[in-house]
Amino acid sequence: DGGITQSPKYLFRKEGQNVTLSCEQNLNHDAMYWYRQDPGQGLRLIYYSQIVNDFQKGDIAEGYSVSREKKESFPLTVTSAQKNPTAFYLCASIPGQGDYGYTFGSGTRLTVV
Amino acid sequence: AQKVTQAQTEISVVEKEDVTLDCVYETRDTTYYLFWYKQPPSGELVFLIRRNSFDEQNEISGRYSWNFQKSTSSFNFTITASQVVDSAVYFCAIIAGVGGSQGNLIFGKGTKLSVKP
Repeated sequence: DGGITQSPKYLFRKEGQNVTLSCEQNLNHDAMYWYRQDPGQGLRLIYYSQIVNDFQKGDIAEGYSVSREKKESFPLTVTSAQKNPTAFYLCASIPGQGDYGYTFGSGTRLTVV
Repeated sequence: AQKVTQAQTEISVVEKEDVTLDCVYETRDTTYYLFWYKQPPSGELVFLIRRNSFDEQNEISGRYSWNFQKSTSSFNFTITASQVVDSAVYFCAIIAGVGGSQGNLIFGKGTKLSVKP
């Protein structure tokens, strides 16, 4: 079945380390998104990509980086510059502009220890 | 800029009660999409409904119904005869930049619904 796979489900990071969250989709969707969720908060956009080899900053991009080398993959790196990285991260995709049938992954819960 | 306000942070009801979750949105666009998502404790987002700005008809799906009123910029969600399985966080969201180049979802902060047996 088509969908989005996020891994790992749980991730622990030591302060000062970079970590990479994986997001893979087999839906042939053009656009992919990364959202961050904090307790009691809605989802906030970190980065998005509408085509391969192109991506744009969202509302809270500082301390994060992404790449889009393949259509099906949109990994998110949480760098040491992100001061408060403990959160729940959700990846999403849509077929393309004008088709807003979002598909979400099951999320990665990142904790700084 | 787009904005979604869900004024109810938490709601607690007893099973079989009806409950309405409020959503008020702000946008300058004439074309936009509104969404409701359910987030159970497991964390994934479950799509419930999408409505475009030109369709103000109310929607009913089983125990769920939605009331879209452009005059008050509201898109409220009602669960009839609530069940324990309805316990979750519910998010209202709007698409930013329809017809433009983004298609980014703007979320409200969510309403946590607890249905007690």
